[in-house]
Amino acid sequence: DSGVTQTPKHLITATGQRVTLRCSPRSGDLSVYWYQQSLDQGLQFLIQYYNGEERAKGNILERFSAQQFPDLHSELNLSSLELGDSALYFCASSVAAGDRDTQYFGPGTRLTVL
Amino acid sequence: EDQVTQSPEALRLQEGESSSLNCSYTVSGLRGLFWYRQDPGKGPEFLFTLYSAGEEKEKERLKATLTKKESFLHITAPKPEDSATYLCAVQALLGSQGNLIFGKGTKLSVKP
Repeated sequence: DSGVTQTPKHLITATGQRVTLRCSPRSGDLSVYWYQQSLDQGLQFLIQYYNGEERAKGNILERFSAQQFPDLHSELNLSSLELGDSALYFCASSVAAGDRDTQYFGPGTRLTVL
Repeated sequence: EDQVTQSPEALRLQEGESSSLNCSYTVSGLRGLFWYRQDPGKGPEFLFTLYSAGEEKEKERLKATLTKKESFLHITAPKPEDSATYLCAVQALLGSQGNLIFGKGTKLSVKP
């Protein structure tokens, strides 16, 4: 158990809908990262937050957004969902801003868009 | 463009048959190289971090090594419980702060 928690574990929804994925980092960690894992693309970095502020952005679609709250938990919002958004979404956390820090991953949320 | 390539894509071993997994990388500058293990439907589990060429780290039957262009994960006398997908990731000097660039993984199956 990495200490990173994610909810829900599974999410099934329809195209065009909006969903919210939640992540709680390990105790004491200030950075939260979101990754998407699909069968053909592997793990792809989406976005990083550090102590409430956006720190880095990867190939995140405009339909996706995230935030980190004062208690350091984070939410990833996915809107206007398409079939291709079906994937595993992982959250990871690290102690500091990221330079050489080990990232510990949560168990993931499996999103299925029908 | 920063890139990580892992080989082979899949590896089948008999219990006790040692082997190595390869991770070659092209980055603007290396902050660190990370190895993770991932079981089906689960999150990646951290194994090792390597920071500079020549560095080696060991944990039970696993040993990770690093050169300027690649890393190897050596598995000595594997057991069926070592079956998993092994992921390699790099953190680049000039990339977005903190993010990891992952390879597609090597799926290891160890038969009893």
